Parts: sequence; C-alpha cells; structure tokens
Amino acid sequence: DVKVTQSSRYLVKRTGEKVFLECVQDMDHENMFWYRQDPGLGLRLIYFSYDVKMKEKGDIPEGYSVSREKKERFSLILESASTNQTSMYLCASSIQGSGLGTQYFGPGTRLTVL
Amino acid sequence: GQQLNQSPQSMFIQEGEDVSMNCTSSSIFNTWLWYKQDPGEGPVLLIALYKAGELTSNGRLTAQFGITRKDSFLNISASIPSDVGIYFCAGRWSGGSNYKLTFGKGTLLTVNP
Repeated sequence: DVKVTQSSRYLVKRTGEKVFLECVQDMDHENMFWYRQDPGLGLRLIYFSYDVKMKEKGDIPEGYSVSREKKERFSLILESASTNQTSMYLCASSIQGSGLGTQYFGPGTRLTVL
Repeated sequence: GQQLNQSPQSMFIQEGEDVSMNCTSSSIFNTWLWYKQDPGEGPVLLIALYKAGELTSNGRLTAQFGITRKDSFLNISASIPSDVGIYFCAGRWSGGSNYKLTFGKGTLLTVNP
C-alpha cells in the first residue's frame, strides 16, 4: 500500500512565525504535491515537485515555498505565517511515467495561525 | 483552468438506500478518480478509471468513466453509517500535464441510521 505521512496532524502557530510542514512517501514516487483545503473552495494546489530539487508553482504559491532535497520528502514552508494561512494542508504523491496521474494523499495537517 | 462540476453538493439518506453522484466537465479527461474524505482526514482513493466506458467496482461502490470522457459517476449501494463523508471526483485533463489533477468541490453524504 502507498503510504504518505505528514509530520503533524495539528499545529498552532503565531503570526509571523516560520512554519515547516513535512511530508514523506514510501513508494518511490517521483511527483509530490502540496494542497490547501478550505470550506467552499475545495482543494487548491500550492506547489508540486516532479524530481529532487525541482519544483513548480501551483495555483496559489504566494506566501509559501517548498524544498525537496530527497525523493521521499517534500517540505512546505510558510516564511512568515499569517492568519489567512489557517487551513488544512494536504500532501500527495504520484508515480511518473505511467502518465495516469493517480495521487495518494497523506492524513493532512490542520494549521491554525493566531 | 479546467473545471469539474460535481453534484449533488450534499445528500441526506436513510441507511440501506442507494446513492448516486456525478462529475461533469465541458472538457475531455483521460483519468477519473473518486476519493472519500472523513472529517479531519486526508482523501482516500476509492476507485481509479483510465478508459472511456470503463466500469469498476470496489465492494459496494461502482464508478464509471463516461463514454464521452466528459463525465464520471459513482454509485454506492445499500448505504451504511460509515459511508458518511465527503466524496470527491478528480480528473486528469487531456490537454494538461500528466501529473496535475482537477478536483470537484465534493459531495457531502450523511446517512441516517
């Protein structure tokens, strides 16, 4: 079974803090993704990575950065957290090459910024 | 970007009833996926469809990849209380990248025991 894990299920941070969200997958997937999920807005893609050290902006990259130093690990960084970044953050991974696009999700991190 | 229209937005049914939901688009998709999300959890893949006309089952769940490649359906038979959750469709647009997905807004299912 594909397993995607996220470092924290719940996080509470203060405005202005630097926040790191970590994601690890154990299936040797090339692609990894970060989404945020908000009521009424659905899933929105923040960033994705198709290889180590490679990244591309998604639909809402402002206020976020990412790091992928190893194939299995993809980090989302909030340089200076703001209250409008309170959300559910979901990491996903998928295999490349087959081109089928099926993504597998982690359990999510519920981030609250005070 | 491409949009998926998922309906209904919510359903309230009695235990034992069958459920149908669907996703439609004006664009052609090469892959259709159905996920379920429990409260506070990440989406879990239920069924993946890769070919037009394909009909695939997973227990009491059945999903179909529409012949026009612009829609997909998910049916749940004999619903039980643990079916409660949000069901999402997702698709890989034929004119887009191989790795990006478009997501529907979800169908919230409530099952009354």
